[in-house]
Amino acid sequence: GAVVSQHPSRVICKSGTSVKIECRSLDFQATTMFWYRQFPKQSLMLMATSNEGSKATYEQGVEKDKFLINHASLTLSTLTVTSAHPEDSSFYICSARDPLAGGIADTQYFGPGTRLTVL
Amino acid sequence: QKEVEQDPGPLSVPEGAIVSLNCTYSNSAFQYFMWYRQYSRKGPELLMYTYSSGNKEDGRFTAQVDKSSKYISLFIRDSQPSDSATYLCAMSVPGNQFYFGTGTSLTVIP
Repeated sequence: GAVVSQHPSRVICKSGTSVKIECRSLDFQATTMFWYRQFPKQSLMLMATSNEGSKATYEQGVEKDKFLINHASLTLSTLTVTSAHPEDSSFYICSARDPLAGGIADTQYFGPGTRLTVL
Repeated sequence: QKEVEQDPGPLSVPEGAIVSLNCTYSNSAFQYFMWYRQYSRKGPELLMYTYSSGNKEDGRFTAQVDKSSKYISLFIRDSQPSDSATYLCAMSVPGNQFYFGTGTSLTVIP
């Protein structure tokens, strides 16, 4: 299947700092990428949908000024958590949508996730 | 009513058992149906993919879609301890948002 990488896999930062997480589709071009947040033993919570070359669409309740998303190319999307606070500590997962990956029409491939801990 | 309903479990079975995981949905426009497996602290991994109704088999895994009942299932035969994970169902209308179940936690006991 298609490969999506995410970097870093784990980050610890101080309260008030900003953290950038990168999501890359390694073997396909992703016109759409998604960012999710997941709390322990809970399901995925969609934060935003990112389309290459346009502004991200945020889900209700997600602060777009706090979670900055940039999708500058067909293989890279970034999520920046600005002025991070302890309540932002979570597991952040990106996914990329490939409409033609391996003959499978329209599915999402997930990155390995980034565990953010804000002290 | 949620778009997708999935029993969170947890489900615990002995090694070798047949496991049945299920999701129901309300949107008759869904056409793509997926099952993802997520190990602890990892991203979800695409396990099975089905378009419209019918069955699909891949090794020990069988995915079934019954659009008339708005019900999908994942069967795992000869379950192994390495199958212990959370299983998420997902579905979509082509070109639109994906909807995920809450996930079912499965433990296969050796």
